[in-house]
Amino acid sequence: KAGVTQTPRYLIKTRGQQVTLSCSPISGHRSVSWYQQTPGQGLQFLFEYFSETQRNKGNFPGRFSGRQFSNSRSEMNVSTLELGDSALYLCASSPGQTGSHSGNTIYFGEGSWLTVV
Amino acid sequence: AQSVTQLGSHVSVSEGALVLLRCNYSSSVPPYLFWYVQYPNQGLQLLLKYTSAATLVKGINGFEAEFKKSETSFHLTKPSAHMSDAAEYFCAVSPSSNDYKLSFGAGTTVTVRA
Repeated sequence: KAGVTQTPRYLIKTRGQQVTLSCSPISGHRSVSWYQQTPGQGLQFLFEYFSETQRNKGNFPGRFSGRQFSNSRSEMNVSTLELGDSALYLCASSPGQTGSHSGNTIYFGEGSWLTVV
Repeated sequence: AQSVTQLGSHVSVSEGALVLLRCNYSSSVPPYLFWYVQYPNQGLQLLLKYTSAATLVKGINGFEAEFKKSETSFHLTKPSAHMSDAAEYFCAVSPSSNDYKLSFGAGTTVTVRA
């Protein structure tokens, strides 16, 4: 069974540009979450989508947005990039069934390394 | 709000020695607790998770963790360290089985001495 797939793995952008990152969850998983990892702030939750609806959101500015498609694939977008947005962006997927002990077992992808110059 | 604290940002052990990584949680309700490992330039790999079914949880690669409610702890151990265990380890918590927002600790980097 294929794992969580993220593209692109590495990218460099210039301040002020925007970027879109893509995530394909494990087959059958309906919940997709996004995290930002930086040396200074560690791992921080961005948002979670389930059945194309944003179900939970972290404390990030509105420049960070996401969406989920009917096939559970997800994209996140960062507009007006700042130097501080340089980070590893991790996507995670989960079966998403409520009330199940396996429901919130969360699996991560390899991440997308974003460098803003 | 749920949170976890990992004691010690760096741990150095000899090959074959016990690995002990400490994690304490704060939660007003029984939490769901996780340990993840991150190898250099890679994503996070789930080692194990606690879901209240058993207090001693066995994971992959010989790791296990014990949930102690009285101490609000979920420490990770491995009896005998291997060179391949060198990585960064993260403890994480979510408040319920229906919540997919993980709160992570700051991480503990493990180095293994030959």
